Amino acid sequence: SQQGEEDPQALSIQEGENATMNCSYKTSINNLQWYRQNSGRGLVHLILIRSNEREKHSGRLRVTLDTSKKSSSLLITASRAADTASYFCATVLRDRGSTLGRLYFGRGTQLTVWP
Amino acid sequence: EPEVTQTPSHQVTQMGQEVILRCVPISNHLYFYWYRQILGQKVEFLVSFYNNEISEKSEIFDDQFSVERPDGSNFTLKIRSTKLEDSAMYFCASSEYGGPNYGYTFGSGTRLTVV
Repeated sequence: SQQGEEDPQALSIQEGENATMNCSYKTSINNLQWYRQNSGRGLVHLILIRSNEREKHSGRLRVTLDTSKKSSSLLITASRAADTASYFCATVLRDRGSTLGRLYFGRGTQLTVWP
Repeated sequence: EPEVTQTPSHQVTQMGQEVILRCVPISNHLYFYWYRQILGQKVEFLVSFYNNEISEKSEIFDDQFSVERPDGSNFTLKIRSTKLEDSAMYFCASSEYGGPNYGYTFGSGTRLTVV
């Protein structure tokens, strides 16, 4: 399958620490996106990184993409209890023939940040 | 911040019944999607919709599923004859721009339970 796979499945840290989540995928992508989901809520788009980009920042978020290794990482710096959520990577495949960018999701990483 | 609104938040239905899940996308968005997430599994693409027609559908989206934009503001997903395995969280999403290089805004989901 072409879906992203996140690692680790669960991550538990203290407030103030950095959280790193990884995503691997199998086929060439157009872009990779990270989403966040609070328990029982919808998916919130965090950041999109295109296949020709290597790093992107948004506030406390830093995303890297290594297309040679088919992997991405999401770093949340100085984590807060409010960052507790599930984090998903989703890929849009290259040359998929889909004009509207169908997303392939991984299973997600459950991040718990303790106060 | 504009939101994608989904109703109801939770629906319980008997096997074999028809259900309609409703979504109000962000008003200036033109591209609409349905995804679903079976408990403990990945978020899966169902269908994308643009210009009053389906752009792409997955293998999950068989003849018992249909989508409609009946009045220019709502976007609905109908399941004609529900099965137990249709129990899942259904997410509607919309985007302002089509194509693969833009993130989506997801609604909070409708939890469908088929009994």
